[in-house]
Amino acid sequence: SQTIHQWPATLVQPVGSPLSLECTVEGTSNPNLYWYRQAAGRGLQLLFYSVGIGQISSEVPQNLSASRPQDRQFILSSKKLLLSDSGFYLCAWNPREGTAKYFGPGTRLTVT
Amino acid sequence: AQSVTQLDSQVPVFEEAPVELRCNYSSSVSVYLFWYVQYPNQGLQLLLKYLSGSTLVKGINGFEAEFNKSQTSFHLRKPSVHISDTAEYFCAVTSGANNLFFGTGTRLTVIP
Repeated sequence: SQTIHQWPATLVQPVGSPLSLECTVEGTSNPNLYWYRQAAGRGLQLLFYSVGIGQISSEVPQNLSASRPQDRQFILSSKKLLLSDSGFYLCAWNPREGTAKYFGPGTRLTVT
Repeated sequence: AQSVTQLDSQVPVFEEAPVELRCNYSSSVSVYLFWYVQYPNQGLQLLLKYLSGSTLVKGINGFEAEFNKSQTSFHLRKPSVHISDTAEYFCAVTSGANNLFFGTGTRLTVIP
């Protein structure tokens, strides 16, 4: 069966520091991969998605970036964090021919 | 583009009582609909999905939802709730493209 991992589970970072969140999927090949952010009291916002290695689409312009160095690895990065980057970051995947997305356990990021 | 409205931000209900969580969507094209559940500090778990066929969809944990095209609704129901159903519930819609549009969520609180 397929599983999706995210780490770290929680992270507290000062403003201006860099960020790297990692997501990996097991048990599947060529998945579509996604990064969502969930701000307190709000729904989920799609940040990036990827349909293949090195292919990244950005939905929201901001100081975050994403990379997909391997088929089942998706990384969310920032060079300098802002207070507004605080939130719950969720990685998700779906099979190429599927529509339902499956989510990872999330990373709680607090920027201080 | 599509959008989702979850009218109730919070729904308190007594244990063993029935519950309905409302979801309305907006789209100019055919859609696929989903309900997800999120327990505190966890990722989203897929409860059920409507892709095509029967408009009554059964999911996990005893939940079901009915797709009503004329009313553009996809309400979630459970005939008898348990304490363990206390969580945040998200309705989501997609046309099949990469984005999945979420509602702002409904917090279900089951009262003993």
